[in-house]
Amino acid sequence: ELKVEQNPLFLSMQEGKNYTIYCNYSTTSDRLYWYRQDPGKSLESLFVLLSNGAVKQEGRLMASLDTKARLSTLHITAAVHDLSATYFCAAENTGTASKLTFGTGTRLQVTL
Amino acid sequence: DTEVTQTPKHLVMGMTNKKSLKCEQHMGHRAMYWYKQKAKKPPELMFVYSYEKLSINESVPSRFSPECPNSSLLNLHLHALQPEDSALYLCASSQDPGRPLHFGNGTRLTVT
Repeated sequence: ELKVEQNPLFLSMQEGKNYTIYCNYSTTSDRLYWYRQDPGKSLESLFVLLSNGAVKQEGRLMASLDTKARLSTLHITAAVHDLSATYFCAAENTGTASKLTFGTGTRLQVTL
Repeated sequence: DTEVTQTPKHLVMGMTNKKSLKCEQHMGHRAMYWYKQKAKKPPELMFVYSYEKLSINESVPSRFSPECPNSSLLNLHLHALQPEDSALYLCASSQDPGRPLHFGNGTRLTVT
């Protein structure tokens, strides 16, 4: 059974600082996704990582994937208040397309 | 703005009521999903429809009954729910199974 763990669960950071959210998954996965969720809102797709060594960047967020270590990271550069949200990683079960297992989520709070 | 539309946005129902949640997308996506999300928890997969056929049922209680009338519509029929079924119900679609999911804004369900 695929299990996905994220850490930290909660992250309070100052504007302008850098930080990384970690996502570990337990078994081989075909794809790794990152989503953002604002309070009371739906999930917004941020990144899809398809292969070992994949790196994607959008603005102040950069995601990477190491399939050998079964680890994905979401790096935040020079955080701004608008990035405050909950971030989920999700891994796709190999051989069962469409079945995503979500991580526990990281609630990010960027303070002024 | 999301391209996956869910109605209603909020629903309060008693344990003896019958209600339905509706989801619609016009992106030509062939896979549609129902997820359940409790407060401060990650989404949990309930059902997947692929090319209008139910392909995944995550052992969901029979008081939840999905229906896919056509490739653009997905319903979730609710009957005899329990208070613990109160949650945010998210619909999603993807171009094909295994492609990134587009989530709707969700229906916040309260069972009294």
